[in-house]
Amino acid sequence: NAGVTQTPKFQVLKTGQSMTLQCAQDMNHEYMSWYRQDPGMGLRLIHYSVGAGITDQGEVPNGYNVSRSTTEDFPLRLLSAAPSQTSVYFCASSYAGSNEQYFGPGTRLTVT
Amino acid sequence: TQLLEQSPQFLSIQEGENLTVYCNSSSVFSSLQWYRQEPGEGPVLLVTVVTGGEVKKLKRLTFQFGDARKDSSLHITAAQPGDTGLYLCAGADLWSAGNMLTFGGGTRLMVKP
Repeated sequence: NAGVTQTPKFQVLKTGQSMTLQCAQDMNHEYMSWYRQDPGMGLRLIHYSVGAGITDQGEVPNGYNVSRSTTEDFPLRLLSAAPSQTSVYFCASSYAGSNEQYFGPGTRLTVT
Repeated sequence: TQLLEQSPQFLSIQEGENLTVYCNSSSVFSSLQWYRQEPGEGPVLLVTVVTGGEVKKLKRLTFQFGDARKDSSLHITAAQPGDTGLYLCAGADLWSAGNMLTFGGGTRLMVKP
């Protein structure tokens, strides 16, 4: 199993550009989520999904959209990138009955 | 919004020393987890504690959940350079949807040989 995979590994955007961060898992996990990690602030939840077709907002959802058309994939879209969105983004998945999160390797995004 | 405060934020010690990292909150959590993260990688789960007062050991690492389930500690005995990394605590509350976690700010540990 590949676990949780994320692409790209690194990305540089100009302010106002849009892009999609990809996330896929092959563990048949029901739950998937996106976090951003900034220095000294741990991980903060952006959006999460409890199953295909179901998504909800986390702590810091503004400026991001998600969709969950399949169990395996959970892309994160930045509609109009801003410098405040410079961060490291992690996708995670888990079984419905467990708090144990499996994290991807992260995407380091810089917005200039 | 539940908050988890971790201390210290940074810790630099010599190989062989002992250390303790603390994770505190004013809120009750149904369970608390500790993750370890290495540069360029995602966090990896070390342990989950569920019962108030619970103690779990993982080789030289000892994890404790407070009696009131509001705080936790991680103690490392005889630290080694391989223990270097970012340690994160994360709490799950009874009412969180989707197993979502609240993370502390992290403790960055460096163990010098």
